[in-house]
Amino acid sequence: AQSVAQPEDQVNVAEGNPLTVKCTYSVSGNPYLFWYVQYPNRGLQFLLKYITGDNLVKGSYGFEAEFNKSQTSFHLKKPSALVSDSALYFCAVRGETGANNLFFGTGTRLTVIP
Amino acid sequence: EAGVAQSPRYKIIEKRQSVAFWCNPISGHATLYWYQQILGQGPKLLIQFQNNGVVDDSQLPKDRFSAERLKGVDSTLKIQPAKLEDSAVYLCASSSEGGLSNEQFFGPGTRLTVL
Repeated sequence: AQSVAQPEDQVNVAEGNPLTVKCTYSVSGNPYLFWYVQYPNRGLQFLLKYITGDNLVKGSYGFEAEFNKSQTSFHLKKPSALVSDSALYFCAVRGETGANNLFFGTGTRLTVIP
Repeated sequence: EAGVAQSPRYKIIEKRQSVAFWCNPISGHATLYWYQQILGQGPKLLIQFQNNGVVDDSQLPKDRFSAERLKGVDSTLKIQPAKLEDSAVYLCASSSEGGLSNEQFFGPGTRLTVL
């Protein structure tokens, strides 16, 4: 069965510091991994995805994520956090086999402190 | 490029009443999704359309929820009758295809409150 775990409900980081939002997954077959961000009163926005190839994926707004097959993780990172990065972040996964739908984690609220 | 449009943005109804939500996907997107997002949880897929056909409705509570996409463009999701536990944000998303690697583009959602 597909599952996604975001172990931290809340992450606080000081502006200018590096940030990491954690995600681990379980799927059948090869994973298709996504990160989305949700700002207040707005829909989810696509940040980046891993399909195949290089384990380090770069996305929008300076975010990147590292795919680690042995640890079944896909952590979201940014070298220097901005106050405007404060939002709700969702990790999502699809498996190569089994259920075709996108399965979302419960979200991590990131707060960047000025 | 215009994004995914949804209406209304907010709806308050009493239990046992009916409600309908509308979604217009990004022009040219063949695949349309409806999600339910309960407070504190991630979005959960309710139904997926490919053009005007249903691809996956395995998690749609069919005794009270229905959805259609008659002309393969815009879509309507209906709840009849509503229950208290249906209070959630209903998100519509679209993608150019339903492939595993395609990202989905989300609308702003409709926040439903059932009293």
